[in-house]
Amino acid sequence: SQQGEEDPQALSIQEGENATMNCSYKTSINNLQWYRQNSGRGLVHLILIRSNEREKHSGRLRVTLDTSKKSSSLLITASRAADTASYFCATDGGFGNEKLTFGTGTRLTIIP
Amino acid sequence: GAGVSQSPSNKVTEKGKDVELRCDPISGHTALYWYRQSLGQGLEFLIYFQGNSAPDKSGLPSDRFSAERTGGSVSTLTIQRTQQEDSAVYLCASSPRGWETQYFGPGTRLLVL
Repeated sequence: SQQGEEDPQALSIQEGENATMNCSYKTSINNLQWYRQNSGRGLVHLILIRSNEREKHSGRLRVTLDTSKKSSSLLITASRAADTASYFCATDGGFGNEKLTFGTGTRLTIIP
Repeated sequence: GAGVSQSPSNKVTEKGKDVELRCDPISGHTALYWYRQSLGQGLEFLIYFQGNSAPDKSGLPSDRFSAERTGGSVSTLTIQRTQQEDSAVYLCASSPRGWETQYFGPGTRLLVL
């Protein structure tokens, strides 16, 4: 089974609105990462948050991490058409198990 | 600087043929990864190279799959006797060291007829 699972599987919002995606995982982690994928090709790294961090910002992106609930959220504010993509969370397996496991992703569509 | 490159971009082959997929990582990156992504799915880990250490092959789905990394740089993923279920996008990524930020190539889309 997946270590990281995104929710929802698909999300459509109007341009300018905020988009929130969630990721849940099962085991302890060292860090959690979010990636974006356009058109089924290579992934682009967005942000990495460590297990001792609770929140991180990068431009219009805000990531939170709740290790007690084993969950993370990615918020994209003031969405743009160019944000249309699939978003994946990736988690490691904690100390001594650094291999990343990717979820199945959230497909985000921004409606102009 | 140049990012991760992969070749070919697309490959169509007949069932039973062997294929080789190439990955050129970012110069200086010691870690290299191969993933497979089927249509509409997440990434499936295949193999991981780190420096001179023995590769982690735990994700290879069968003995038809193998990979090499020559000189700590370029990597080749080989699929022997291809099957239709091998059809997918094969993604390569590299990173400066272990399992932190990964830089992905554009992928090779493989179609087995």
